[in-house]
Amino acid sequence: SQQGEEDPQALSIQEGENATMNCSYKTSINNLQWYRQNSGRGLVHLILIRSNEREKHSGRLRVTLDTSKKSSSLLITASRAADTASYFCATDSNNNDMRFGAGTRLTVKP
Amino acid sequence: NAGVTQTPKFQVLKTGQSMTLQCAQDMNHNSMYWYRQDPGMGLRLIYYSASEGTTDKGEVPNGYNVSRLNKREFSLRLESAAPSQTSVYFCASNLYRGTGQPQHFGDGTRLSIL
Repeated sequence: SQQGEEDPQALSIQEGENATMNCSYKTSINNLQWYRQNSGRGLVHLILIRSNEREKHSGRLRVTLDTSKKSSSLLITASRAADTASYFCATDSNNNDMRFGAGTRLTVKP
Repeated sequence: NAGVTQTPKFQVLKTGQSMTLQCAQDMNHNSMYWYRQDPGMGLRLIYYSASEGTTDKGEVPNGYNVSRLNKREFSLRLESAAPSQTSVYFCASNLYRGTGQPQHFGDGTRLSIL
């Protein structure tokens, strides 16, 4: 069963706009990771946030984590056409199995 | 720097046929994983190998077997393929399972069972 649930399922924006994706999960976690998947390719790790962290930045990416609400968000600022991909959150819990959500499909129009 | 390599990239099988999906990593990782990805379902863990010489079931192991051939290679076998096993299969690896280390993925094997 999935642990993370991404929202929205699909998002379409114009180049230069910001894109926000959300992830909710059900059980306590040790950390939460975000991955990107380009069409026809494998997942690529973007960023990890630990359960004792609230916010993390990497380039144009900003991730927040609210453990009280069991939710995380991924913000991509100043989006580019090359950001078009599916984005997945993955949670790491005490049972050591990483659980992936169903993903958000982002389309950035030039 | 190949990372995780999966073969084949595409395969079509008939119901009842068997096949082995191959995976190799060159990052000296201890842990390796097999996932399947179905539309709207995200990735589901089939089997994993926390370290060389060990394998364990994941969330959806039925109909599959695995072999950790050595530290580099982890294969997935379908003994008698069924249409429900039509999916995209991903192999992944990381340094140590359960430590929060990011997983590195291959580009997948697209498998169709007729």
